[in-house]
Parts: sequence; structure tokens; C-alpha cells
Amino acid sequence: AQKVTQAQTEISVVEKEDVTLDCVYETRDTTYYLFWYKQPPSGELVFLIRRNSFDEQNEISGRYSWNFQKSTSSFNFTITASQVVDSAVYFCALSEAGFGNEKLTFGTGTRLTIIP
Amino acid sequence: GAVVSQHPSRVICKSGTSVKIECRSLDFQATTMFWYRQFPKKSLMLMATSNEGSKATYEQGVEKDKFLINHASLTLSTLTVTSAHPEDSSFYICSARVRAGARLYGYTFGSGTRLTVV
Repeated sequence: AQKVTQAQTEISVVEKEDVTLDCVYETRDTTYYLFWYKQPPSGELVFLIRRNSFDEQNEISGRYSWNFQKSTSSFNFTITASQVVDSAVYFCALSEAGFGNEKLTFGTGTRLTIIP
Repeated sequence: GAVVSQHPSRVICKSGTSVKIECRSLDFQATTMFWYRQFPKKSLMLMATSNEGSKATYEQGVEKDKFLINHASLTLSTLTVTSAHPEDSSFYICSARVRAGARLYGYTFGSGTRLTVV
């Protein structure tokens, strides 16, 4: 069975600091997809990134970067020079790629607060 | 592209009544949709998977007769909370799987429905 663990329940940092959100996953499939979503107070889920299991390249998008390490089953997310607008709950999620329902399993989320 | 519209965004109903939540794919055909429930400060818990034209698959512990799911067309899935009680108050979110050919591209989410049962 697939499982996603986000050990950090809440993190607070002062604006402009860098912050890394951890994500560790478990799956028996060799082909799978990993996602990060942002959930602001409005409740809507905002897609941030998708990564498939064959692509271990790290990715950078503006102030956001992701570090995918299959050896440690981790997919960590770093925000550089944090801003107040980054305050939200962040979810890491996993989907196994077998052709079927492809359920998305979410981690418990990390509540990030950026202090002005 | 790949937008899912969910309505209503908020609903307050009396205990014992039923509430229907709609989830529409606006610019693509969604053969599979997922329904999640989220309690305050908690993660999203998958309730059921609905496939167009067939019965929904419910996760363990989810009451089928309480949470009726219908996916009668490729663009519409509905969740009906029957005989609602205060403990059914929650945030409900639908999601559709988006494919690029045979490959999974990702998931698109509705904006959620905050249900309050009084």
C-alpha cells in the first residue's frame, strides 16, 4: 500500500528565510508519480509540481525547488526567500501508475507560517 | 485547460435533510472522479472513486448509503449526503484524473464545498 509521510506538522519562519518541507513516501510500484499542492486558507488546492519516478532531476521554479531522491524515498520542497504569501498548508501526494483508478494518497500536510 | 467546477462552495442545511454537491469537468471528459473529505486542520481523505457509467468504489469505512455518488456522464459527478447530521459537517473536494494519452498527467481539483449541518 502507498503511504506519504510529512513529519513536520507546523513550521514558522521569518520572512526572507529559506524553508524546506520534508516528504517521505512508500510504494511497491516501480512507476509512480509524486506531487506537491498548496492549500491557502480559501481551501482550494493549488498544483505546484508533478514528478514521475523515472525523472530524478531536481527542479527549480522561481523561489521553489524540489529535491527528489529515490534512494531515500524522499521528495523535499524548498522555498527560498520566503514571503508572507507562502503561508499555507502544503501537501505531498503519491499516485501509483498502474492503469486503473490511480488513487492519489496525501500526506498529512505541513502548515507553513511566514512571519513578517 | 482541465478545469473542474464544484458547486455549491458553501451550504448550510438542517439535520435530517439531504445535500447534493456537483462536480463538473468544463473542458475535458472525466471518466474517473474522486471525492475527498477534509476535517479542519487535517489531510484529505479519499471517500470514493466514481467511474462514468458504473458504481462508485468506496473506501473502507465510508457509508455507501450515506454518501451517494453518481457519475452519469463524462462531465458530471455528484455526491449526495443523505440524512445529514452535524458530524457530516466538513469540507468536501472533488478531483478528476487528467490523462495525456495513456499516461497519467495529473489531477485537477474543484474549489471545495464547505458543508455545515445544523
